[in-house]
Amino acid sequence: GQQVMQIPQYQHVQEGEDFTTYCNSSTTLSNIQWYKQRPGGHPVFLIQLVKSGEVKKQKRLTFQFGEAKKNSSLHITATQTTDVGTYFCAEDNAGNMLTFGGGTRLMVKP
Amino acid sequence: DGGITQSPKYLFRKEGQNVTLSCEQNLNHDAMYWYRQDPGQGLRLIYYSQIVNDFQKGDIAEGYSVSREKKESFPLTVTSAQKNPTAFYLCASSPQGGAREAFFGQGTRLTVV
Repeated sequence: GQQVMQIPQYQHVQEGEDFTTYCNSSTTLSNIQWYKQRPGGHPVFLIQLVKSGEVKKQKRLTFQFGEAKKNSSLHITATQTTDVGTYFCAEDNAGNMLTFGGGTRLMVKP
Repeated sequence: DGGITQSPKYLFRKEGQNVTLSCEQNLNHDAMYWYRQDPGQGLRLIYYSQIVNDFQKGDIAEGYSVSREKKESFPLTVTSAQKNPTAFYLCASSPQGGAREAFFGQGTRLTVV
């Protein structure tokens, strides 16, 4: 299936610092979705990006889709302890095959 | 309440036994998925189904089987052929068209003893 690579694998930040996770593909993505999984929980949908160069914001979270539709990023401004969890990107291709990246685990020190 | 339900939450299996994980949704979604998650790892696709009576293998289908006899149900059987079945199993569903947000169940943690 489609290979979607995510970096970094882990990130420790001090509360109040910013955080960014990146999702990269060697081929053009149909779209990109982002999910958050709290420790011990299940993934929860955050957003979907479809258009080249698209930028969407949800409070302190900013999502970007690259101009070539081969990469995406999630940026969190001024992290809080409630942001702790693993953030996944995923591609929902035309064949209805939802493929996830490896995830970035965010840990926030209060 | 609409949602997707997985059962049981915890499951213990003896080596050599088949076991079936349940997944039911009342969201009227056409697509359903099964993923495997190992500790500290991402989600790997086992099987997915776009419509009743049809399903496709994902990246790690060996040792697993599924059925989709009803739109609401997509059970996963972990067979004795699966060499390392201990993992967290997640079922998801999504609608056709639109944003196609995937909704996940609470997961089943399978342990082979």
